[in-house]
Parts: sequence; structure tokens; C-alpha cells
Amino acid sequence: NAGVTQTPKFQVLKTGQSMTLQCAQDMNHNSMYWYRQDPGMGLRLIYYSASEGTTDKGEVPNGYNVSRLNKREFSLRLESAAPSQTSVYFCASSEAGHNQPQHFGDGTRLSIL
Amino acid sequence: GEDVEQSLFLSVREGDSSVINCTYTDSSSTYLYWYKQEPGAGLQLLTYIFSNMDMKQDQRLTVLLNKKDKHLSLRIADTQTGDSAIYFCAVITTSGTYKYIFGTGTRLKVLA
Repeated sequence: NAGVTQTPKFQVLKTGQSMTLQCAQDMNHNSMYWYRQDPGMGLRLIYYSASEGTTDKGEVPNGYNVSRLNKREFSLRLESAAPSQTSVYFCASSEAGHNQPQHFGDGTRLSIL
Repeated sequence: GEDVEQSLFLSVREGDSSVINCTYTDSSSTYLYWYKQEPGAGLQLLTYIFSNMDMKQDQRLTVLLNKKDKHLSLRIADTQTGDSAIYFCAVITTSGTYKYIFGTGTRLKVLA
């Protein structure tokens, strides 16, 4: 019962370095999401993919890119990391349809020095 | 824009009831969810309510929805130490572009 798997769990980067966060789900869900969680701000949507082959910007997309590699995998890339991107990143997936609950991974804790 | 607000902290004694509140601004919200986040983990769906309902009960959990005041609450009866976590409400708005918006989260601490 893996559900949504995120790798890595922790990462420290230097300013300007690049990195890709990986996410895979085994629930055959159509939709996948990337969020960042910061203290006192809840979760903010970075990008989402309603279905394989499509991606859309969320609330805070600047500084990030995404790739929906196939139905299972949705990656998030930081091309040139900045200290403001220090956060906990969560990947989620859901069945198709706007009313579906989302299933979350355990997060990637990313620090940018 | 749409906004979903919660108080940041709540502390209760074991065995008491906890009430976590959430207010939202978008009247087009059709589905409202409660999620629980335990330390070091992602969010887990707890329960949900449709906008045409006033109340939903699920074992120790009771969700109340006041659409007029745009107020959602989660009541946990007989609160246990295992209930200590951060609780997020989330609303789905369908005015224009679809949006799934999370509240800021309420950290519940249960005292033994």
C-alpha cells in the first residue's frame, strides 16, 4: 500500500543549484499536484496536472517547472534554487473530477542555504 | 481572492471535546474537507461535507456547516492524545477556474 511516494525525504542545497523532486503514485489517479507548506500559510499549490500530458500553474509557480512523465509520475524541478524556496514540498494525487479528495505523500523537506 | 482561515492553535484536555473552526470567503464552495497532518507526514483525509448539508457525523467526528456565515467546524468528541496533530480545512471553489484551497491549519495539542 505505497500510495504516493516522494523522494528524497530531505535535501540541502546551495543557492543556485538545481534539483528535481520525484513523485509517484500507484492508485491509477489521473490528477497530480505539487504544494509547498510554509509555517502559518497552509498549503499553496505550485503546479497541477489534471491528466497525463497536461500541466497548469497554481498559485505560486515562479521558480519551478514540472513534468508529467506518465500517469504515475509527476516531478518538480527547481532550476536555480533560492533561499525563499526553503519549504516542505508535498505531492498529492486524486481521481479525475474537481470534487475528489487528495492523497498526499509524506513530503520532501528542502533547505536552501 | 478566495481565503480560508483557521486559528493557529488549540489546546484541550484528554477526554474533552475539541472544536476546530474554519471560515471561507467564496460562496461557490461546493465541497469542504477536513485533513489531519501528523508530525513528519503528509495530509490524510479525515472527513468531508457537501455544501447542501448542514451536518455530518462520523464516529467521534462531527462536521457542521453554516453556509450563511461561511463557517465550517470540526468537533472531535472524547479527544485522545493520538488526536494531537495539525488540522486543515480545504474548500473547492468552482467560480471560474477550479481551485482547491487549504486553510492555514490548526495545531491541536491534547494534554494528558
